[in-house]
Amino acid sequence: DQQVKQNSPSLSVQEGRISILNCDYTNSMFDYFLWYKKYPAEGPTFLISISSIKDKNEDGRFTVFLNKSAKHLSLHIVPSQPGDSAVYFCAASSAETSGSRLTFGEGTQLTVNP
Amino acid sequence: NAGVTQTPKFQVLKTGQSMTLQCAQDMNHEYMSWYRQDPGMGLRLIHYSVGAGITDQGEVPNGYNVSRSTTEDFPLRLLSAAPSQTSVYFCASSYKAGSSYNSPLHFGNGTRLTVT
Repeated sequence: DQQVKQNSPSLSVQEGRISILNCDYTNSMFDYFLWYKKYPAEGPTFLISISSIKDKNEDGRFTVFLNKSAKHLSLHIVPSQPGDSAVYFCAASSAETSGSRLTFGEGTQLTVNP
Repeated sequence: NAGVTQTPKFQVLKTGQSMTLQCAQDMNHEYMSWYRQDPGMGLRLIHYSVGAGITDQGEVPNGYNVSRSTTEDFPLRLLSAAPSQTSVYFCASSYKAGSSYNSPLHFGNGTRLTVT
């Protein structure tokens, strides 16, 4: 039972355009969401997060939107750069487990073409 | 600071063999965890620890043991390797347990394990 789903295995965009990565979840107890970025042969690195009390969080070129009623979040990258090419993982946790258990989605491979 | 260090980077085992994947962090993090990454399945939590002497099971704990005798180290033991344990294993740590709100996980660079 995949509680966090990223339905697009891959996404390709042109440099300078917007990249939108999507994530859906089924567990209504999730109250904190994170995005991680992963380059080949490296571990994931934290990118941006959002609490369920907010619907938007912005950090430079990266913005995460949360739609609680739809159980959907998205990561917007604008403008996209070739160095953004990586696998992006969405993750969620709940206060029920004191945030000690992160549930990850399958990942989306983003390719930004020069 | 080295961050989270995992050894070895690569390992090939035969079915039935045992081995220990090492993980060490030098950030004085309270929380440590092990994930495995498989194609199309994302990262799945194997075991985690909220402090020295305390461990708990994650989503896919069968076939693995952990211990946390020090704050710095969190080894993962495969008791009797099976082909289904072929995967990439990541160790991760964060400052405090339950602090994903202010202290996201720091990951090591992974161990690629093949079981034949």
